[in-house]
Amino acid sequence: GNSVTQMEGPVTLSEEAFLTINCTYTATGYPSLFWYVQYPGEGLQLLLKATKADDKGSNKGFEATYRKETTSFHLEKGSVQVSDSAVYFCALSGETSGSRLTFGEGTQLTVNP
Amino acid sequence: NAGVTQTPKFRILKIGQSMTLQCAQDMNHNYMYWYRQDPGMGLKLIYYSVGAGITDKGEVPNGYNVSRSTTEDFPLRLELAAPSQTSVYFCASSYSEGVYEQYFGPGTRLTVT
Repeated sequence: GNSVTQMEGPVTLSEEAFLTINCTYTATGYPSLFWYVQYPGEGLQLLLKATKADDKGSNKGFEATYRKETTSFHLEKGSVQVSDSAVYFCALSGETSGSRLTFGEGTQLTVNP
Repeated sequence: NAGVTQTPKFRILKIGQSMTLQCAQDMNHNYMYWYRQDPGMGLKLIYYSVGAGITDKGEVPNGYNVSRSTTEDFPLRLELAAPSQTSVYFCASSYSEGVYEQYFGPGTRLTVT
């Protein structure tokens, strides 16, 4: 079956530091890949997505590239802000019809001023 | 648009009690979902629906029931609450599956004691 593995957290950074959160997946074919973000006390919201190999999703300074050869979709940001403190979830939706969204465990990011 | 709304925000139940978590969306989405989020465990799919009158089990359906009589509403019923059902519950909706974004409600924090 499908699965998503995220780097173990939590992650604590200083403002303006570089961020990488690793995500690897297991799935047959060509799934769609997503990063969702959950701010404190809120539901999840889509941050970015990529639907085919070598696609780069980007939003709010965050980027992730769909790497089929390494089955990865790592999230990066060049300079984090305190307001980026949240939980980040990697997720995939399988290629076949009827495939549901599968989430990773989530990574807690705290950015200190 | 209000998006996806959930009530209540918080609830404490005694073991064996029943309750219904309400979920509504005003985006005319056919697909709706119920997830539970346990600490450090990501999101697990409980039930989902692909349209009014159609529901199906997700990964962790035991102890829950759903109905979908209208496109807008997708309530989740707990019949005999157990401590293992202590969790945060999220409702979500989407236009379709695969590449389509899921929109999440703010969540219901449920404690069973």
